[in-house]
Amino acid sequence: QVQLQESGPGLVKPSQTLSLTCSVSGDSISSADYYWTWIRQHPGKGLDWIGYIYYSGSTYYNPSLKSRLSISLDTSKNQFSLHLYAVTAADTAVYYCVRQILVVSAINYFDSWGQGRQVTVSS
Amino acid sequence: DIQMTQSPSSLSASIGDRVTFTCRASESISSYLNWYQQRPGKAPKVLIYATTNLQGGVPSRFSGGGYGTEFTLTISSLQPEDFATYYCQQSYNTPYTFGQGTKLEIK
Repeated sequence: QVQLQESGPGLVKPSQTLSLTCSVSGDSISSADYYWTWIRQHPGKGLDWIGYIYYSGSTYYNPSLKSRLSISLDTSKNQFSLHLYAVTAADTAVYYCVRQILVVSAINYFDSWGQGRQVTVSS
Repeated sequence: DIQMTQSPSSLSASIGDRVTFTCRASESISSYLNWYQQRPGKAPKVLIYATTNLQGGVPSRFSGGGYGTEFTLTISSLQPEDFATYYCQQSYNTPYTFGQGTKLEIK
């Protein structure tokens, strides 16, 4: 059974870079069956899709974050990472790494989630 | 972006009740609609994908329906573990978007 675990600083200063890593066990991030995705949840709010990376290295980012965002893969470690640049207090949230299963066409869904990493942006 | 709107935003119900949540999309998304359950302090968990398909391990009291712009999630007989927040999400196109959630509370 796949497990995902986020790691990284829980406190980031404004204007700096938020970096999180997701370690995947029980499955290979080199599989063509999934996107590897980041989703965040602001305090007391709903869920916001950040972006994904595919095993090939191709990415798709939420246009609202695209100018500040980078998602990368490390297949040797079976990990993928999120880098969000020039953060502000509005980036304070719980960040989830998620496996997105690709069934067929537009049938896809978020089937396995990490436990979430609280990240606070504050000086 | 496709906007997803859920109603009601909160709902009080009793054990054994039948409840239905509604999710509306700002444009047609065919049947590309997923439902998630989130308990406090936990990550969301998928219940139903592509409108009607029950994820493995999810109890059969959960069911989904709809097409186009209007969708429903029904719980046929509420159990104590069902009190949580429910989110819909469209996978029709990127950026993927979620509804704001419906919080189900014990009456």
